[in-house]
This record gives sequence, C-alpha cells and structure tokens, in this order.
Amino acid sequence: AQSVTQLGSHVSVSEGALVLLRCNYSSSVPPYLFWYVQYPNQGLQLLLKYTSAATLVKGINGFEAEFKKSETSFHLTKPSAHMSDAAEYFCAVSEGQGGKLIFGQGTELSVKP
Amino acid sequence: EPEVTQTPSHQVTQMGQEVILRCVPISNHLYFYWYRQILGQKVEFLVSFYNNEISEKSEIFDDQFSVERPDGSNFTLKIRSTKLEDSAMYFCASSVGTSGGVKTQYFGPGTRLLVL
Repeated sequence: AQSVTQLGSHVSVSEGALVLLRCNYSSSVPPYLFWYVQYPNQGLQLLLKYTSAATLVKGINGFEAEFKKSETSFHLTKPSAHMSDAAEYFCAVSEGQGGKLIFGQGTELSVKP
Repeated sequence: EPEVTQTPSHQVTQMGQEVILRCVPISNHLYFYWYRQILGQKVEFLVSFYNNEISEKSEIFDDQFSVERPDGSNFTLKIRSTKLEDSAMYFCASSVGTSGGVKTQYFGPGTRLLVL
C-alpha cells in the first residue's frame, strides 16, 4: 500500500519568506501526487498535481512542487509567503484504478507579519 | 467554474439515528468519492463509486454505511445507526477520470457531522 509522510505538523514563516512544506511518499509504481490546501472552515482545494510529465509542477497562488524520484519526495514551495497562505496543506498520493487518495497528516502553515 | 456542492453544511444527530449526507458532483464527472476527517486527524478515504456501483471501500466503510446515486445528479452517503465516533467532517469528491489514468479529484466544502 502506498503512504504519504508530511514532516512537520506545523510550520511558521514570516511574510515574504520562503515556504517549504515537505512530503515524502512510498509507492511501488510511478505515483500520481497532489497537494491540496484547506482554509479554515472550508473544503480541500487542489493546488497542484504531478502526473509523470514535468518534474517541476506549478500550481495556483504561486506554489510549485518538485517531484524527486531518487528522494521519493514532492515538497511544496513558494518563494514569498503571504498572509493569505495561512492554511492547512495536505499531500496525497493516488492509489489503484479507482484513484482513491491517500493523504498525509497535513501541515499547518502560519504566516507572521 | 463548476464545483462540488454538499448539504447540509452542519448536521447534529443523536446516537443511533440515521443520517443522509448529500452531494452534487460536477456534472460531467464519472467517479465519486467520500472521505472523512475526524477533528485533528488526517483525511481518510471511505468509498469510491463508478458506473453505479462501489469500486472500492475502506475498512471504515462497514455495513452501517451505504452510498447511492439516486438520480443523475445526487450522490448520497447514508449512515444507518450513527455512533459517537462517526463525528467528523465528511467530504464528497468527484473526478472526470479515465480508466487507468490520473483521476484528479475536486472536493466539496464538507458536511460537519456531530453525533451526540
């Protein structure tokens, strides 16, 4: 079975600083990987996805993620944090023909002024 | 932009009661899913549904749970006899998907279920 590990349940950065949220996966086959964001009291919004095309994937709101097979990682970055980026971020891997998502435990991002 | 909708947004029920959570997936999507998120925990897969039948279900999805697509638009999750531990946020998701290909899932805003 596939799994996802997100290092750090809580990350705090200053406004304007680099955001780095870590995600490692385990998969026996080339994975489909996703990052979702959950703002307070809202549902999950797709940020970006990796589907075995380009290893550097650009998403919405200035976020991007790089797939590194050798490190089994799919870390999420943003060059300059904004206050509105404060949310919970989930990394997920798709498994099986039906495409069910296996989620990591989530990382809560705080942005300090 | 099309989106997944869910009703109600909040539901409070007594233990042992039946609840039905409703979802309207994006109209041209073929795959439908339910997930739940217990407060403070990760999002967990419950069930996937394709071509009018369950394609996969998790260990959580026991005989107390059922899903149905009663018409061309709604997708429902029924919990027959709720337990305290069913209290969670329930998310519906849908995907246009193709067999064997990536199935990018779009999520609804969730229904927060509280069982007393």
